[in-house]
Amino acid sequence: DQQVKQNSPSLSVQEGRISILNCDYTNSMFDYFLWYKKYPAEGPTFLISISSIKDKNEDGRFTVFLNKSAKHLSLHIVPSQPGDSAVYFCAASVGNRDDKIIFGKGTRLHILP
Amino acid sequence: DAGVTQSPTHLIKTRGQQVTLRCSPISGHKSVSWYQQVLGQGPQFIFQYYEKEERGRGNFPDRFSARQFPNYSSELNVNALLLGDSALYLCASSRLTGGYTGELFFGEGSRLTVL
Repeated sequence: DQQVKQNSPSLSVQEGRISILNCDYTNSMFDYFLWYKKYPAEGPTFLISISSIKDKNEDGRFTVFLNKSAKHLSLHIVPSQPGDSAVYFCAASVGNRDDKIIFGKGTRLHILP
Repeated sequence: DAGVTQSPTHLIKTRGQQVTLRCSPISGHKSVSWYQQVLGQGPQFIFQYYEKEERGRGNFPDRFSARQFPNYSSELNVNALLLGDSALYLCASSRLTGGYTGELFFGEGSRLTVL
């Protein structure tokens, strides 16, 4: 039973344009949502997170939006750069009690020149 | 500062064998967690250890075990290997104190192939 779903396995975006990665979740107990980025042969790296009490969090070119009623979140990257080409994992956790994080399957983002 | 280090980076085992994977967390991090990433899937939580005690366990069989040492390094053991255990095993560390952000620091992983 997938609690965190990323329905787009891949996405191609022109350099300089906006990249929008989407994620849905099913568990209402999740109260922290995260995005991780992974390059080949490297471990995932933390990108940005958002608490369930917020609907938007911004960090430079990266913005995460949370729609709790729809159980949906999205990551916006503006403007997209070649170095953004990677696999992006949406993830969620319950509270701050432990490091158990539930990951989606990932979306591979290709930034086209 | 050194990041999370894992060893070995690659290994090949045969069915029924046992494997031990090792992880050294970032200095000052007391929490270590283990994740399994099968090809085409996201990382899946196996264990978390904090201050040498098991803090969480994912939905994995008893063939999987782990421990944390006084220096906060950790080992993951898998017994009676199955073909389905072939995966990238990721170790992550965190402080687990202060304001929670969900930020884990992952190592590059140990890629296990079971033949």
